[in-house]
Amino acid sequence: GNSVTQMEGPVTLSEEAFLTINCTYTATGYPSLFWYVQYPGEGLQLLLKATKADDKGSNKGFEATYRKETTSFHLEKGSVQVSDSAVYFCALSSPGSARQLTFGSGTQLTVLP
Amino acid sequence: GAVVSQHPSRVICKSGTSVKIECRSLDFQATTMFWYRQFPKKSLMLMATSNEGSKATYEQGVEKDKFLINHASLTLSTLTVTSAHPEDSSFYICSGRPSTDTQYFGPGTRLTVL
Repeated sequence: GNSVTQMEGPVTLSEEAFLTINCTYTATGYPSLFWYVQYPGEGLQLLLKATKADDKGSNKGFEATYRKETTSFHLEKGSVQVSDSAVYFCALSSPGSARQLTFGSGTQLTVLP
Repeated sequence: GAVVSQHPSRVICKSGTSVKIECRSLDFQATTMFWYRQFPKKSLMLMATSNEGSKATYEQGVEKDKFLINHASLTLSTLTVTSAHPEDSSFYICSGRPSTDTQYFGPGTRLTVL
């Protein structure tokens, strides 16, 4: 079956530090890959996505590249801000009638001023 | 971007009562809607998938008579927690998916059963 393994947190960084949150996956076929962000007390917001190998998703300074050879979709940002503090979820969606999302366990990021 | 709303955002009810949560896609037609449950500091657990005009498909271990889902239109799905008990207290999140493979999530509903 499908699964997503995400770097365990919590992660604490100083403002302007470099961020990497690792994500690897197991899936049949060619899944689409997503990063969602959840701020305290809120639902999930789509941060970025990639639908095929070597695609790079990017948004708000965050980037992730779909690496089929390593089955990875690591999230990176060159300089984090306090406002980036949130929980980040990696997820995949496999082709199929339901296209359900399979989520990783989530990584809590705290950025200190 | 696509927007999904949920109502109410918070609800407190007594044990034994029923609670209805609404999920609306505001600027797109959601062919499929999903309901999730999230425990504190945990990931999302998929409860059920619903397609407009048909019965919901429940995940293993989710009681369909306990969690009633109605997807009457392409912009509205409801989740009714029947005869709620304290163990049903949780954060419930819905999502809608148009014809693409991207799900758009609502802001969530915090249910507290006393």
